[in-house]
Amino acid sequence: EVQLVESGGGLVKPGGSLRLSCAASGFTFSSYSMNWVRQAPGKGLEWVSSISSSSNSIYYADSVKGRFTISRDNAKNSVYLQMNSLRAEDTAVYYCARETLGSPPYYFDYWGQGTLVTVSS
Amino acid sequence: DIQMTQSPSTLSASVGDRVTITCRASQSISSWLAWYQQKLGKAPKLLIYKASSLESGVPSRFSGSGSGTEFTLTISSLQPDDFATYYCQQYNSYPITFGQGTRLEIK
Repeated sequence: EVQLVESGGGLVKPGGSLRLSCAASGFTFSSYSMNWVRQAPGKGLEWVSSISSSSNSIYYADSVKGRFTISRDNAKNSVYLQMNSLRAEDTAVYYCARETLGSPPYYFDYWGQGTLVTVSS
Repeated sequence: DIQMTQSPSTLSASVGDRVTITCRASQSISSWLAWYQQKLGKAPKLLIYKASSLESGVPSRFSGSGSGTEFTLTISSLQPDDFATYYCQQYNSYPITFGQGTRLEIK
């Protein structure tokens, strides 16, 4: 069974940093591109970042470029999102999502349960 | 960036109704479109990919159609479990973008 479990969310002050993790199981992690998608309270879905299976290709939304860094460790079946210079508008539930096999970008066939990041003083 | 616009934003319907949600892209995305269902407090769930392909395990009352810039998600006969928010997503190019969502509520 495919499982994605996010962790690392919490309350952080504006300008602060946080590192999210997503632990994957139930599939060959090293074969799949992985993504982070966020959802602000009461709002819609916003794609944040994507990393290819071998980390060769990385993409970011303009709203986070230069502040967030996506990475992965295929030996640990994990993907990460390092978030720096956090702003109030980064407050959201952050989902880890698996991109199905295909020529990227592609759709997301499995999602984690999400982790809440709150940026507030 | 490709903008995705869904209509309506809210839809009131009854069990047994046939409903259609529309998603328009600001430029052609061929058939690179997915639909997701999201229930309150839960992660999105994939329903449809490549505009009209039904994800495994998804009931056949869900169907998708369209290509280019105009797409539709149809639920042929609403069930109580279908009241949720629906999102379209284009994956033609980066940045990946979602529609703003359509909330399907009980009339």
